[in-house]
Amino acid sequence: SQTIHQWPATLVQPVGSPLSLECTVEGTSNPNLYWYRQAAGRGLQLLFYSVGIGQISSEVPQNLSASRPQDRQFILSSKKLLLSDSGFYLCAWTHGGIEQYFGPGTRLTVT
Amino acid sequence: SQQGEEDPQALSIQEGENATMNCSYKTSINNLQWYRQNSGRGLVHLILIRSNEREKHSGRLRVTLDTSKKSSSLLITASRAADTASYFCATEERGSARQLTFGSGTQLTVLP
Repeated sequence: SQTIHQWPATLVQPVGSPLSLECTVEGTSNPNLYWYRQAAGRGLQLLFYSVGIGQISSEVPQNLSASRPQDRQFILSSKKLLLSDSGFYLCAWTHGGIEQYFGPGTRLTVT
Repeated sequence: SQQGEEDPQALSIQEGENATMNCSYKTSINNLQWYRQNSGRGLVHLILIRSNEREKHSGRLRVTLDTSKKSSSLLITASRAADTASYFCATEERGSARQLTFGSGTQLTVLP
């Protein structure tokens, strides 16, 4: 069966520090991968999606970036965090089907 | 921008009652999906309805879709305390290559 992992689960970082969040999927190959951000009490905002290794599409201009160095690995990064980057970051995958499967999320607080 | 907008934003009911949540969207879609999120957790897919379908059932869930009004509803029958969660609709727009646009959600509280 397929599983999706995200880490860390929670993160507190100062403004101006770098960020690296990792997402990995097991049990499938060549998935579509997605990064979302969720502000408190709000819906999900699609940040990046990837249909293959090295293929990244950005939905929202910001100081975040994404990379897909391996087929089942998706990384969200920033060189310098802003206060507004605080939120709940969710990784999701889909393959063939239509519904998306979500990871447990990372709670990021920028102080 | 958020295409799907849920109504109401919050709903509180007694156990055993039915809960109805509505979602409106703006563009042509391939399908509409409903997801559930427990507090601080990832989303879980509940049910999908395609643009050529009008109603779908899954256990205690019933989803309707009215493409002429660009709206959908999710009905949870005989609610349980464990149904307490946030519920989101998500639309896959035509030509979007499996991208979903999520609404802002309905927070459902089922009181025991």
